[in-house]
Amino acid sequence: DTAVSQTPKYLVTQMGNDKSIKCEQNLGHDTMYWYKQDSKKFLKIMFSYNNKELIINETVPNRFSPKSPDKAHLNLHINSLELGDSAVYFCASSGEGGAGEQFFGPGTRLTVL
Amino acid sequence: DQQVKQNSPSLSVQEGRISILNCDYTNSMFDYFLWYKKYPAEGPTFLISISSIKDKNEDGRFTVFLNKSAKHLSLHIVPSQPGDSAVYFCAASGPGNTGKLIFGQGTTLQVKP
Repeated sequence: DTAVSQTPKYLVTQMGNDKSIKCEQNLGHDTMYWYKQDSKKFLKIMFSYNNKELIINETVPNRFSPKSPDKAHLNLHINSLELGDSAVYFCASSGEGGAGEQFFGPGTRLTVL
Repeated sequence: DQQVKQNSPSLSVQEGRISILNCDYTNSMFDYFLWYKKYPAEGPTFLISISSIKDKNEDGRFTVFLNKSAKHLSLHIVPSQPGDSAVYFCAASGPGNTGKLIFGQGTTLQVKP
């Protein structure tokens, strides 16, 4: 059973489009995260939610909007996609809301043409 | 402003020998440190962690050392195995239970048979 799953694994789209990436965890964790890994391989946190409440919101353009329908899901919606949004996006979850290890999904490679 | 740095982009060692991966940080308020391992096309997986109140933590072949005065930590893998070939990320968090992990840029380890 996959602990943290993301769909789709690959996403190719045109500039200006709106797209969503879905994330689900079956670990019973309270906290979920979105990270972005850019072309230089840096992994940077974007958002975190604890029990559907936004906890961390880094300096991310407001074209990015996370949505948490329940504590097992954290989706990422991106409006008006730009070339610079091309990256690998990782979802993660943790059970301790902080110092505990975070479990990562397999990643979604987004390519904006 | 990169608060966590892994200055060696790559490391190559012979099977059976020791692998030493290094990580430096600048923020003295970090109080928890983690190492993640990442295979291509997969998400990072947790390897080992250490709290700032300790200077060593060991788990099987993996040992993490923390030198707070130098703001330096290292991961030792002994003996190294070909299956250890992956990208290793150092991460830090704190102070307290923030859930926000700051990652280094990763070191690619190649273990040669």
